[in-house]
Amino acid sequence: KNQVEQSPQSLIILEGKNCTLQCNYTVSPFSNLRWYKQDTGRGPVSLTIMTFSENTKSNGRYTATLDADTKQSSLHITASQLSDSASYICEYDMRFGAGTRLTVKP
Amino acid sequence: EAQVTQNPRYLITVTGKKLTVTCSQNMNHEYMSWYRQDPGLGLRQIYYSMNVEVTDKGDVPEGYKVSRKEKRNFPLILESPSPNQTSLYFCASSLPGSSREQYFGPGTRLTVT
Repeated sequence: KNQVEQSPQSLIILEGKNCTLQCNYTVSPFSNLRWYKQDTGRGPVSLTIMTFSENTKSNGRYTATLDADTKQSSLHITASQLSDSASYICEYDMRFGAGTRLTVKP
Repeated sequence: EAQVTQNPRYLITVTGKKLTVTCSQNMNHEYMSWYRQDPGLGLRQIYYSMNVEVTDKGDVPEGYKVSRKEKRNFPLILESPSPNQTSLYFCASSLPGSSREQYFGPGTRLTVT
């Protein structure tokens, strides 16, 4: 069983809408959590990194939250654009989730 | 431009034919790593290297070898590829430290028939 679980597996939204992706982890509690964006045919690129003491971190239209007590993180995308279509991967303590495939339609 | 390069990008081979996937980074990073990415499983670490001549097994090292003779290069070697090694492979590099950001290469799609 993967120690980092992401949901949903895939998501389709209309351009301009918001969405939230989830990440739950079961590994050791004191580490960093990172979100990556992976465009089709390319390697993952870091979006945000959060330490266990941080609750929220933003990077433009991307906002990540972390609840170290419940071992949950979320990535919220505001005012989605077609270029947001990609897989979003959560990493905790060098363990990667399977990713959420986001498709933004016009 | 700071980057991680991998070659080849695509490879189709037959069972048992030795192959090497090259990885090179120009950021003077000490840490380098190889991952495989399979549907539904996420990225899994094959091998990593903390510095020149220092390599260690990741979570799925069976059937793979690596070497780190120079800081910039970290080739992945499959001595006798098998169909279960059909996958998408990524090389990554970073500075040392727990908060290090890993920079990934563009990936190598390998098919073993």
